[in-house]
Amino acid sequence: NAGVTQTPKFQVLKTGQSMTLQCAQDMNHNSMYWYRQDPGMGLRLIYYSASEGTTDKGEVPNGYNVSRLNKREFSLRLESAAPSQTSVYFCATPNPSSYTQYFGPGTRLTVL
Amino acid sequence: DQQVKQNSPSLSVQEGRISILNCDYTNSMFDYFLWYKKYPAEGPTFLISISSIKDKNEDGRFTVFLNKSAKHLSLHIVPSQPGDSAVYFCAASGFTGTASKLTFGTGTRLQVTL
Repeated sequence: NAGVTQTPKFQVLKTGQSMTLQCAQDMNHNSMYWYRQDPGMGLRLIYYSASEGTTDKGEVPNGYNVSRLNKREFSLRLESAAPSQTSVYFCATPNPSSYTQYFGPGTRLTVL
Repeated sequence: DQQVKQNSPSLSVQEGRISILNCDYTNSMFDYFLWYKKYPAEGPTFLISISSIKDKNEDGRFTVFLNKSAKHLSLHIVPSQPGDSAVYFCAASGFTGTASKLTFGTGTRLQVTL
């Protein structure tokens, strides 16, 4: 029972390159979220998926796309990476019976 | 527009003393508040929460106080231990219609010294 897993842990990209961040949860939860954490900014919601087959924009969606592949997996794609997307990215899934969210270990992304 | 604010970026406390972390919010529609703890290179982990219908919730060494009229909550850690050194995020919950969403503060880095 791994909870929430994310791959990769670290990534360095050049401006304009693309990549996909992967997230999987084994809690059988319906909802999944992507956040980014930047110094002095806290965690900001990029996209979320309330259930399989649905996705919605969060606070900072520009430059990102998401796919809810199935109930377990929720991926975040950067089509053309920019230095402003240098950040730590966290995937999370909420406990359906409370407001608590369970977070993955994060992906540290640097865009040069 | 920062709806959840943690005005102290850092706090240093001696081991055994009380740590008090503060959080202010502006949106009166928030109905649930949470504190998360984050160690370096790890994801945030849930620490303690409080519903807007309560003014205090206690769990061991951790107590959260909510003052709705002031739109202020605080986390008290007594006694503080070196293992409590981490970044603490305050979060507030509101419902979007399709899913609950958390709005996070900017975090306070707590250092507990020997």
